[in-house]
Amino acid sequence: EDQVTQSPEALRLQEGESSSLNCSYTVSGLRGLFWYRQDPGKGPEFLFTLYSAGEEKEKERLKATLTKKESFLHITAPKPEDSATYLCAVQASSGSRLTFGEGTQLTVNP
Amino acid sequence: NAGVMQNPRHLVRRRGQEARLRCSPMKGHSHVYWYRQLPEEGLKFMVYLQKENIIDESGMPKERFSAEFPKEGPSILRIQQVVRGDSAAYFCASSPEGYQPQHFGDGTRLSIL
Repeated sequence: EDQVTQSPEALRLQEGESSSLNCSYTVSGLRGLFWYRQDPGKGPEFLFTLYSAGEEKEKERLKATLTKKESFLHITAPKPEDSATYLCAVQASSGSRLTFGEGTQLTVNP
Repeated sequence: NAGVMQNPRHLVRRRGQEARLRCSPMKGHSHVYWYRQLPEEGLKFMVYLQKENIIDESGMPKERFSAEFPKEGPSILRIQQVVRGDSAAYFCASSPEGYQPQHFGDGTRLSIL
């Protein structure tokens, strides 16, 4: 069974204080690893897809990296508007369903 | 570019009633997925459909739940004889192909009285 574990559960940062979120996974043949952002009362918003170990993707202050066992979401000089829950999900090569972690709730204080 | 549209946004039902949740995928997307988010839990896959076909329903409860994606119109998630434990946020996602990123709607919050 595919599994995704995210840490920490919650993270508080000061504006400008860089940090990383972790996503550990086990999957029977990885097709892709996905990062989403979810704001309260909203659906997940797609951020990145990573397909193979060593791959990196960047978008504004966010950078996602992938190894064979985990992915990191690096947040550089965060701003209060980066506050949200960040979700990691894996898709196995055998199907199309996403298996999600429980998310990291990020709060960035001004 | 309209995103994934779900309605209603909020739905209140009494125990024993039926709930019908609708999802219109993004333009050009023919693959639809339903996920459920129970309070204090992560998103869990329920069902994956293409037009007129159920591809994977391995996450659907065996009883009372059904889903369809007809040739014309939105995808429908139907819950019969609702119980308190069905209270959750139900999210729909769509993609152009099954291996491409899924884009989510803002969900339907179902409350059971």
